[in-house]
Order: sequence, then C-alpha cells, then structure tokens
Amino acid sequence: EAQVTQNPRYLITVTGKKLTVTCSQNMNHEYMSWYRQDPGLGLRQIYYSMNVEVTDKGDVPEGYKVSRKEKRNFPLILESPSPNQTSLYFCASSLFKGGGYTFGSGTRLTVV
Amino acid sequence: DAKTTQPNSMESNEEEPVHLPCNHSTISGTDYIHWYRQLPSQGPEYVIHGLTSNVNNRMASLAIAEDRKSSTLILHRATLRDAAVYYCILFNSGNTPLVFGKGTRLSVIA
Repeated sequence: EAQVTQNPRYLITVTGKKLTVTCSQNMNHEYMSWYRQDPGLGLRQIYYSMNVEVTDKGDVPEGYKVSRKEKRNFPLILESPSPNQTSLYFCASSLFKGGGYTFGSGTRLTVV
Repeated sequence: DAKTTQPNSMESNEEEPVHLPCNHSTISGTDYIHWYRQLPSQGPEYVIHGLTSNVNNRMASLAIAEDRKSSTLILHRATLRDAAVYYCILFNSGNTPLVFGKGTRLSVIA
C-alpha cells in the first residue's frame, strides 16, 4: 500500500531533550515536506525537500532541522524542544511535478 | 504567493450535491488548483487537482472557470463521512510547495 509513515504517533517529552520524528514514504516520491498544525493557525510548512540532499525552509523553520540522505526518508529533528513546539505534525510526499500529496497520519508532540 | 478565498463554513444535507467555491483572482499561468480535505483527527487527504480543464475522479469533480480566477469543488452526493475542512490551494510545481489557508468547514446533516 502506498503510504507515508510517521513515527511516533504520540510523544511527550521535556524541554531541551533532543528528539527525532521519522517519516518514510514507499512511493519513490521526490518531494517531501513537514507541516505543523495548531488551533486557529491552520497548517504551516516547516521544511521541505525537493530531492535527496536538497532541503529548504518553509514558513516556520525556527527550532527544527531536517535531513534527506535518501529518497524515502525525511526525519524532523528538534535539537532542543520547547513548549511552543507542542503541536500536531504531518509529513507529506509528492511527485515533484504538480501531483497530489500524500500525508502521514500525524505525530502529536507535547513538550513540557 | 497567490492566495485563495473560501467561505469559512458551509452546510449540506446528506445525499445532496455540494458545491464548494474558491476564488483565486491572482492565479498565475503555471499554478495548479489543488483541493485537499481533512477529516477530524486525520491528516489532510488529496481530493483532486487541475490546471485549466474540468477534472473528475472517484471522489469529486473540479470545475475551473474559463479565466481561472475561480473554481468549484463538487461532491455529487454528500455523505456524513464527507464532513471535513476542505482546502483550496494554488500550487506552482516549479517553485514553492503547498501553502494551506483556513479552508471551508463542511457540515453534512443527516
């Protein structure tokens, strides 16, 4: 089944403790992206990647890092999480040329 | 970025057609019109997209105005499972990625 898989689905962590949210797609998509969703603010893009080793900032990149060492994986790294990064995170992938995006099921992160 | 304007909310009766409008008066020639929906507690789901011509798939139809300044997502027979937030997004495949606005919250009444 074609899908985007995120892990974990739920995570509670403490301020300052580094964490990684993984994202993997099995569709050989070139384009991958991370979003966060907050009440009243909608979906906002954090980082995106147009291909292996090509990443760029979205609208809200502060406090996040990403890497794209291989096509299928696009992990989101929070080096020093803070409570304002408590949010619902979605990973998405697409063929580069204007195709539809497939989203993961989401990761609900709570930073205390 | 080119912007879209959608009503905040709409309501429909079950089993009736639903027409969800979207205005995008500043659309450029290379912008695709994408529609996504987000059901409660789920990630966004791709519905349909088009460039200039009307498009149909198993989920919905997309009607694009001749001047491309507006479009309408058509759900032919609304079901309770279609209750969701629907996002109309302009996507320039050669440049920036998807940018989500506030969307239209569709309620379906049994």
